Amino acid sequence: QKEVEQNSGPLSVPEGAIASLNCTYSDRGSQSFFWYRQYSGKSPELIMFIYSNGDKEDGRFTAQLNKASQYVSLLIRDSQPSDSATYLCAVTAGSARQLTFGSGTQLTVLP
Amino acid sequence: KAGVTQTPRYLIKTRGQQVTLSCSPISGHRSVSWYQQTPGQGLQFLFEYFSETQRNKGNFPGRFSGRQFSNSRSEMNVSTLELGDSALYLCASSLTLQGGNNEQFFGPGTRLTVL
Repeated sequence: QKEVEQNSGPLSVPEGAIASLNCTYSDRGSQSFFWYRQYSGKSPELIMFIYSNGDKEDGRFTAQLNKASQYVSLLIRDSQPSDSATYLCAVTAGSARQLTFGSGTQLTVLP
Repeated sequence: KAGVTQTPRYLIKTRGQQVTLSCSPISGHRSVSWYQQTPGQGLQFLFEYFSETQRNKGNFPGRFSGRQFSNSRSEMNVSTLELGDSALYLCASSLTLQGGNNEQFFGPGTRLTVL
């Protein structure tokens, strides 16, 4: 069983819609949760992080964490074609700082 | 503030050679981590350095090594290159080791091709 699982997609949404990206993790000791965006040929860019249960909003992005269900999600409101990228979910566990990544979800926003 | 820088950006080597990659973290950041990204395995953790000490190591063979200097700059070395070492090698820096500020910021990466 993979430690961090994401639906690989591809996920397509029309411009202006809400894109919903999901991630589950297996280690109950996971404490920190991150979403990275990676454009083709580029390095990952940190767009959201969340440490506590609940929702965290930053502009058009909302991260949701449910530790009981071992589930973290990213919502992108008013999706734009420039949001088309691969979104990587990453977690750290305990005092370890290494990021364990999911395989990423490829998102395409259609104009 | 300048971001994470990595050099070189591209490298082509042949099997059996060795390679050294360099990373300069964001100014003031003291922790540097290295990751390997391949299409088949995705992003995998190599090792982490803080205060010139390796704090954590991923599941990679001993051919992969690294070090950190007093100015927080880091290098990683891969000896006896194999075809499977072809990958994007990413360096990430973060402000502190524990507690808050755990966010890691990636550099542009070094694309290594082994022929």
